[in-house]
Amino acid sequence: GQQLNQSPQSMFIQEGEDVSMNCTSSSIFNTWLWYKQDPGEGPVLLIALYKAGELTSNGRLTAQFGITRKDSFLNISASIPSDVGIYFCAGPPFAGGTSYGKLTFGQGTILTVHP
Amino acid sequence: SQTIHQWPATLVQPVGSPLSLECTVEGTSNPNLYWYRQAAGRGLQLLFYSVGIGQISSEVPQNLSASRPQDRQFILSSKKLLLSDSGFYLCACQPGLSGNTIYFGEGSWLTVV
Repeated sequence: GQQLNQSPQSMFIQEGEDVSMNCTSSSIFNTWLWYKQDPGEGPVLLIALYKAGELTSNGRLTAQFGITRKDSFLNISASIPSDVGIYFCAGPPFAGGTSYGKLTFGQGTILTVHP
Repeated sequence: SQTIHQWPATLVQPVGSPLSLECTVEGTSNPNLYWYRQAAGRGLQLLFYSVGIGQISSEVPQNLSASRPQDRQFILSSKKLLLSDSGFYLCACQPGLSGNTIYFGEGSWLTVV
């Protein structure tokens, strides 16, 4: 099935550093979603992108919907310890005018922030 | 906004025993509902999705089944659990007018022993 290539798989950074992660796909996406998952909990939606080229911020987080509609990135500025977790990109592949509402997920980026 | 409740939060079951995980949604009507499984803290695998009462689509062949007896209730079941059924199960909801955005419940940890 359709897969998203998410990178990097893991990151170890110092508190205060900026973080960047991205997702790419061989198919066009209508929507790009970024989630964060804390250990033992369900993923929480961070940012949703609906238009090619769209740049959206949520506090220290910024995400962009790539112009080609085949990629997206998420940046976190001035990281803090509570940013630790797994970050997932996701989206519904575009298929013949509908996207069925079923999401394809990236494999996740595990972020570790050292105080 | 919608709220998704899952229970039980944690479950330890012997091999061969039955399973029932329940998910209920509040704050929206006629949502699409999903069951995902996550193994080893990575990768979300879609197991089932439902676009309405009694309508279930299975994504992968497996030892599990799903049912949707009410608009905002989604149940994941098994008649006989296998060791490989262990994992973190997540119920998710796509509210009726949310476009493609999906929201997740808190998850249920299943350990089959």
